[in-house]
Amino acid sequence: DQQVKQNSPSLSVQEGRISILNCDYTNSMFDYFLWYKKYPAEGPTFLISISSIKDKNEDGRFTVFLNKSAKHLSLHIVPSQPGDSAVYFCAASTQGGSEKLVFGKGTKLTVNP
Amino acid sequence: KAGVTQTPRYLIKTRGQQVTLSCSPISGHRSVSWYQQTPGQGLQFLFEYFSETQRNKGNFPGRFSGRQFSNSRSEMNVSTLELGDSALYLCASSLEGATDTQYFGPGTRLTVL
Repeated sequence: DQQVKQNSPSLSVQEGRISILNCDYTNSMFDYFLWYKKYPAEGPTFLISISSIKDKNEDGRFTVFLNKSAKHLSLHIVPSQPGDSAVYFCAASTQGGSEKLVFGKGTKLTVNP
Repeated sequence: KAGVTQTPRYLIKTRGQQVTLSCSPISGHRSVSWYQQTPGQGLQFLFEYFSETQRNKGNFPGRFSGRQFSNSRSEMNVSTLELGDSALYLCASSLEGATDTQYFGPGTRLTVL
């Protein structure tokens, strides 16, 4: 049973445009969400997170939106740059500091110059 | 600060053998989590150790085990290797647990022949 789903395995956008990566979850107990970026031959690196008490969190070019009623979150990258080309993982957990992260399968983003 | 280090980076084993992977967390981090990444399943949580105790465990068979030492370094062991164990094994450390930012190592690529 996949609790965190990233239904698009890949996404291709032009440099300067917006990239929107989507993530759906099924477990209503999740209340903390994160996005990680992974380059080949490297471990994932933390990008941005959001708690369920918020519906939006911004950090520079990256914004995460959370729609709790739809159990959906999205990562917006504006403007997209070729260096953003990577695999993006959505992850979720429950609060408390001791619960495991559940990851989606990832979306490969390609930003074309 | 030095990042999370994992050794070895690459490993080739044959079916039936056992393997031990090592992870050194960021200095001061007490939580170490292990993940398995495969193309079909994405990142799957194996287990988490905190202060030398296993705090969380994923849905993997008992062939997968781990431990954490007093200096927070962690090892993961897989016994009776199967072809399906071929994967990238990632270690992540954080200060206290899942809701703290997890910092990933580069991973150990295990190939089982």
